[in-house]
Amino acid sequence: GQQLNQSPQSMFIQEGEDVSMNCTSSSIFNTWLWYKQDPGEGPVLLIALYKAGELTSNGRLTAQFGITRKDSFLNISASIPSDVGIYFCAGHPGRKTSYDKVIFGPGTSLSVIP
Amino acid sequence: SQTIHQWPATLVQPVGSPLSLECTVEGTSNPNLYWYRQAAGRGLQLLFYSVGIGQISSEVPQNLSASRPQDRQFILSSKKLLLSDSGFYLCACKHDTGELFFGEGSRLTVL
Repeated sequence: GQQLNQSPQSMFIQEGEDVSMNCTSSSIFNTWLWYKQDPGEGPVLLIALYKAGELTSNGRLTAQFGITRKDSFLNISASIPSDVGIYFCAGHPGRKTSYDKVIFGPGTSLSVIP
Repeated sequence: SQTIHQWPATLVQPVGSPLSLECTVEGTSNPNLYWYRQAAGRGLQLLFYSVGIGQISSEVPQNLSASRPQDRQFILSSKKLLLSDSGFYLCACKHDTGELFFGEGSRLTVL
């Protein structure tokens, strides 16, 4: 079945450093989503990507939809302590059909050292 | 904008007891709805999704079932809970734009 892989599995960085994480798939997706989850809460959507090659920013966050439609990356610039959490990528077919699974990667755990 | 409500927020149940988790959505119509389970420190496992009333797709053979009795209501159930059913259950709603939004989650502990 469809699977997403995320790397790295975990990261420990100094405050102020830039962060890069990526997500790869065995299948093509037409929409990529990036989420952040804090402990005990539901994931919060950070960025949505809809077109191959698309580069989208949200504050210090930048994400790109890979040309092959099988990968995506997320960058965080100048990390701060509140960036700590688990970051998930997700992919889906992109349109409302009877086959409309949204699949999540296993997550990247980010720790920021002040 | 849509709002997703889940209840109960926390639940402690004995093995063998039944389960009912509810999810309701406001601010949208005919949404695609999803149930995910997250074990401690793990990723999100898709359990069920629904593209309309009475339409349920099951992703993983398990001790759970789902129902969608109304357009904006999605229910996760079990007749007899197992220890392995413990986890954080998340309901999600897919917006027409393709974005997926989550509820606050329901934490289930089976003892």
